[in-house]
Amino acid sequence: AAGVIQSPRHLIKEKRETATLKCYPIPRHDTVYWYQQGPGQDPQFLISFYEKMQSDKGSIPDRFSAQQFSDYHSELNMSSLELGDSALYFCASSLRRQGHNEQFFGPGTRLTVL
Amino acid sequence: GENVEQHPSTLSVQEGDSAVIKCTYSDSASNYFPWYKQELGKRPQLIIDIRSNVGEKKDQRIAVTLNKTAKHFSLHITETQPEDSAVYFCAASRFVHSYNTDKLIFGTGTRLQVFP
Repeated sequence: AAGVIQSPRHLIKEKRETATLKCYPIPRHDTVYWYQQGPGQDPQFLISFYEKMQSDKGSIPDRFSAQQFSDYHSELNMSSLELGDSALYFCASSLRRQGHNEQFFGPGTRLTVL
Repeated sequence: GENVEQHPSTLSVQEGDSAVIKCTYSDSASNYFPWYKQELGKRPQLIIDIRSNVGEKKDQRIAVTLNKTAKHFSLHITETQPEDSAVYFCAASRFVHSYNTDKLIFGTGTRLQVFP
């Protein structure tokens, strides 16, 4: 079965650079979520989109922005990167319109900021 | 704000023993409670979930119980095996069709080690 796809899987950036992370949800899923997981931490919700509209916002810095496109893929744009942004970034998708709560996680993007 | 507390932070058991992990949530409107298993550097994988209209759910060696009044839910793993070793996260969310806030609030995780 198709799963959530994330690219790139690994990314190394310098401080103050920008990064773009991509997420391709499971086909027909209508909701995308982004989570950030620091070393030894639990995943923290950043932002979500339902049917291409932002549906909820968590602890996402103003330096980050995200959107969901017409083909339902989503991108997380991160600017002015800081050392503290080094983390695993997970995208998850779900089928909200049918009342399915289960969120399926992608393999994650490991971002390292030097 | 919304918060999920999880205990213990580490748990070591002998193979074949049972393991119990407990969580408490703060948002009384939470109605969906999944448990995720995460191996080092990998994605969280759903192992079992429970909705607020159910008190208990079992899937082979794994069971989850929910006490809505006390806002507690627990994961029970019986006959543990070395491959059960991982970090386990509980989570809570509020799912209402007309309300778009169904983000997962995670507990702080439990590192389970099962010794042969």
